[in-house]
Amino acid sequence: DAGVTQSPTHLIKTRGQQVTLRCSPKSGHDTVSWYQQALGQGPQFIFQYYEEEERQRGNFPDRFSGHQFPNYSSELNVNALLLGDSALYLCASSPAREGGETQYFGPGTRLLVL
Amino acid sequence: DAKTTQPTSMDCAEGRAANLPCNHSTISGNEYVYWYRQIHSQGPQYIIHGLKNNETNEMASLIITEDRKSSTLILPHATLRDTAVYYCIARGGADGLTFGKGTHLIIQP
Repeated sequence: DAGVTQSPTHLIKTRGQQVTLRCSPKSGHDTVSWYQQALGQGPQFIFQYYEEEERQRGNFPDRFSGHQFPNYSSELNVNALLLGDSALYLCASSPAREGGETQYFGPGTRLLVL
Repeated sequence: DAKTTQPTSMDCAEGRAANLPCNHSTISGNEYVYWYRQIHSQGPQYIIHGLKNNETNEMASLIITEDRKSSTLILPHATLRDTAVYYCIARGGADGLTFGKGTHLIIQP
């Protein structure tokens, strides 16, 4: 049973460019959440997708957008990259049942913006 | 989600039990206590969660006080591979997780 997978593992971009990160959820999970983790900080919630819709959003600008596909996989897009967007981007999946279901994390994509 | 407070860092000798405390004095009745850990540069790993009863799994035990204002994560026989940042999170529903700074647990040989 594969866990959460993310691609690519590492990425280098320059300021102003756009980036797309990908996530495949754990088998049987239909909800995907994205997090940003700057160096030395805890992960910060970006948004969550369920049934191909953004269900909840954290305090991130509109430059951060996402998409969920019918097979539950998801993409995170960041436009007009800033140096401060350099971080580890984490995807987590969970089943959509009642009662605070457990999120399981992937290994992350490390983005460096130069 | 209720705010949680954890010590910044802790040491524990290899082979001993590691007890990690967490305060969540404003936790509401429907909020679970979750524990994750993150080994350097990896994604957070789920450890355990509970509502009001003590819980145990193959990784750890979770002790929640009767008033639910604090909890303790217990790693019964710590190994060097348990060195990590441990996050305690109070969470209701299926919303995004709110991570604090966590406790950096260092297992000493």
